[in-house]
Amino acid sequence: ETGVTQTPRHLVMGMTNKKSLKCEQHLGHNAMYWYKQSAKKPLELMFVYNFKEQTENNSVPSRFSPECPNSSHLFLHLHTLQPEDSALYLCASSQDGAGGYEQYFGPGTRLTVT
Amino acid sequence: AQSVTQLDSQVPVFEEAPVELRCNYSSSVSVYLFWYVQYPNQGLQLLLKYLSGSTLVKGINGFEAEFNKSQTSFHLRKPSVHISDTAEYFCAVTPAAGNKLTFGGGTRVLVKP
Repeated sequence: ETGVTQTPRHLVMGMTNKKSLKCEQHLGHNAMYWYKQSAKKPLELMFVYNFKEQTENNSVPSRFSPECPNSSHLFLHLHTLQPEDSALYLCASSQDGAGGYEQYFGPGTRLTVT
Repeated sequence: AQSVTQLDSQVPVFEEAPVELRCNYSSSVSVYLFWYVQYPNQGLQLLLKYLSGSTLVKGINGFEAEFNKSQTSFHLRKPSVHISDTAEYFCAVTPAAGNKLTFGGGTRVLVKP
């Protein structure tokens, strides 16, 4: 595997379910990100991790819980979601937290909340 | 805080014609600027970025962008588009001191034969 991978690619869940999204980067990067891409809103940064430490939480509801066990893996744990949480969730990584480094994106997980 | 405005949500263009996608930003601090492309069912891919130096930046696939500080703009251009350029294009900024990307709303380019 190369680049940034995300699993699953598609997920349908009920509002009472608990599920997790997984992201893995094979680039040796030290910063990882979660973004939300909704149909009618700009891409929104959700969380940032630098060297496994969370450095940004962009006022994300607590029903989204990130986890970064090491610099290569990032999870997004989901519970009691709402239909408006249906979106494409994108993971990205970059060399570190400096502003000039390119962020490499995974293909995303298409989440539908029923 | 930063904000990014992409003035056109959709741009239809004929194959081999030129295209320009407009991007304006606002920020109280120095920023770096990026253009990303998203093909259907894929993640985002970097086209080009401006950090410093020459205001004309060349990227992949024949795209280029010009940074204009006085007009706070970073417009993307391609002199001759191909069908394969059909995609959504995102302008983004980040503070020079950090890695928090703020994206514009995107411009969907549809290249017609």
